[in-house]
Amino acid sequence: AQSVTQLGSHVSVSEGALVLLRCNYSSSVPPYLFWYVQYPNQGLQLLLKYTTGATLVKGINGFEAEFKKSETSFHLTKPSAHMSDAAEYFCAVTSNAGNMLTFGGGTRLMVKP
Amino acid sequence: NAGVTQTPKFQVLKTGQSMTLQCAQDMNHNSMYWYRQDPGMGLRLIYYSASEGTTDKGEVPNGYNVSRLNKREFSLRLESAAPSQTSVYFCASNGLAIMNTEAFFGQGTRLTVV
Repeated sequence: AQSVTQLGSHVSVSEGALVLLRCNYSSSVPPYLFWYVQYPNQGLQLLLKYTTGATLVKGINGFEAEFKKSETSFHLTKPSAHMSDAAEYFCAVTSNAGNMLTFGGGTRLMVKP
Repeated sequence: NAGVTQTPKFQVLKTGQSMTLQCAQDMNHNSMYWYRQDPGMGLRLIYYSASEGTTDKGEVPNGYNVSRLNKREFSLRLESAAPSQTSVYFCASNGLAIMNTEAFFGQGTRLTVV
């Protein structure tokens, strides 16, 4: 069984501030981890993913995430928030042997001018 | 490039009515999925099809049926709609049966059951 917990359903930052969105997972096998972004009234698009190899993963729009096995975490960061980053972000996990992509509850990011 | 196309975008049903949500992808993907999105619950898998001719239940299959019509199309049917099925439905696809590659999502169908 696998699960994802995203701490904080809403996060608010000022423009130019650090963005940190938290994701913790549980998986009985080595996980593959994803971050997706959803803009209003749209589908989800992939920001970045971790499968194997380097634990620091860079994605689109200046986002990155670090896989920390010891902490079972995959937090998403961006050094400087932009107004266009306002959206809902979803962390997801799957395993090499599974077909289910399990999502966290989502974090809505608000960026204040 | 169309990607994943869902129809309709919006639908209002009365309790007990039936309807089919359509999904088509033009990326030659093997696997297709139906999720529902509810506030605070993320996306939950309803059914998936790892390849043409196969379908499997996901986390919340009750009240739904699916058909993998061909490699391109994967439909979701509500036989007797209930208010608890009010949700936003997303279809997704990816290239491998093992979902460790990027999944592409449709724009969603917003369904209200009254």
